[in-house]
Amino acid sequence: AQSVTQPDIHITVSEGASLELRCNYSYGATPYLFWYVQSPGQGLQLLLKYFSGDTLVQGIKGFEAEFKRSQSSFNLRKPSVHWSDAAEYFCAVVTGNQFYFGTGTSLTVIP
Amino acid sequence: GAGVSQSPRYKVAKRGQDVALRCDPISGHVSLFWYQQALGQGPEFLTYFQNEAQLDKSGLPSDRFFAERPEGSVSTLKIQRTQQEDSAVYLCASSENRGRDGYTFGSGTRLTVV
Repeated sequence: AQSVTQPDIHITVSEGASLELRCNYSYGATPYLFWYVQSPGQGLQLLLKYFSGDTLVQGIKGFEAEFKRSQSSFNLRKPSVHWSDAAEYFCAVVTGNQFYFGTGTSLTVIP
Repeated sequence: GAGVSQSPRYKVAKRGQDVALRCDPISGHVSLFWYQQALGQGPEFLTYFQNEAQLDKSGLPSDRFFAERPEGSVSTLKIQRTQQEDSAVYLCASSENRGRDGYTFGSGTRLTVV
């Protein structure tokens, strides 16, 4: 069965510091992987996606993610966090018609 | 429209009441999905439409949940005889294809059953 694990429920970083949010997946074939961000009271916004090819993908708002097949991971990174990045982040894998989402990582940014 | 529109944004229902949640997808998007997001959880799949055809309803939690998309555009998720465990945010998403390029999500309807 497909599943996505986000081991960090909550992360706090200082503004300007670097960020890495972890995501591990369980899927038999080459996965289609996504990162979404959700601000309070809002829907989910697509940050970036990986289908194939270059394992380092660039997204919006300065985010990037690296697919590592050997580790079954797709971690999200940003070199310098801004206060506006505070939100909930969801990793997801798609198979067939469905997205399978992780339980999310809540990011707090302190001045 | 420019995005996926959901209404109402908030709904409070008394236990046992029927509710209807509306989703207006992006014009031309053939695929439409409903997700349920409980507090502190990631979204969970409910059902999927391609045009007017409901191709997958495996995620609907009970026969009290019913979704339709009669003309292949607007969709309605109906919950009959609401229970407290139905309290959640219901998200609608649409896609030009089968979703592998990523969905565009609406802002959701927050349902509270009291």
